[in-house]
Amino acid sequence: GAGVSQTPSNKVTEKGKYVELRCDPISGHTALYWYRQSLGQGPEFLIYFQGTGAADDSGLPNDRFFAVRPEGSVSTLKIQRTERGDSAVYLCASSPTSGTTGELFFGEGSRLTVL
Amino acid sequence: SQQGEEDPQALSIQEGENATMNCSYKTSINNLQWYRQNSGRGLVHLILIRSNEREKHSGRLRVTLDTSKKSSSLLITASRAADTASYFCATALRPGGATNKLIFGTGTLLAVQP
Repeated sequence: GAGVSQTPSNKVTEKGKYVELRCDPISGHTALYWYRQSLGQGPEFLIYFQGTGAADDSGLPNDRFFAVRPEGSVSTLKIQRTERGDSAVYLCASSPTSGTTGELFFGEGSRLTVL
Repeated sequence: SQQGEEDPQALSIQEGENATMNCSYKTSINNLQWYRQNSGRGLVHLILIRSNEREKHSGRLRVTLDTSKKSSSLLITASRAADTASYFCATALRPGGATNKLIFGTGTLLAVQP
């Protein structure tokens, strides 16, 4: 299967700990997106990469959140000093288009629980 | 922030009936998309309608777009129990400063009773 892969699928951590969430996009897709989805809500935009660079990080809630995509493929979302309010499903999506936003292909998400 | 709001928040119908969901948004868009999400899963793209289009069909799906009212509707005809899911509209903002991101609405939870 050549879909978007996210690991881990579930992560339980304690308040104050550091967490990394990984996204492996569809091969050849240049655009990569991170979203956060709380229970009963729609996905909330966090950050968008075009190639290796973050084209738009306006959705990152604060400086505890950081994301990288060093080789233009796999991306890692990093959360420092986790708080209970960070608990959510973190969704990654990729797209082959570099122009006007077309269809996004989503992974199954990483469910983060901060105790 | 959420660009779109969907109405109703929840909808329960019988198999074979039609389901209509509405989406309103706030700013000018390049295109509007509808996605489906089964419980605990990722989102799946259903259909995309561009700002210069008024209606689009795909199988049992019919989408309309009214840019003057900043609204869209998704119609699912002859619904099946397998259509039970959450449905989200998402808007791609106009280029010219705006980046290529989709802003999602709050979603409609559809339950189709067998």
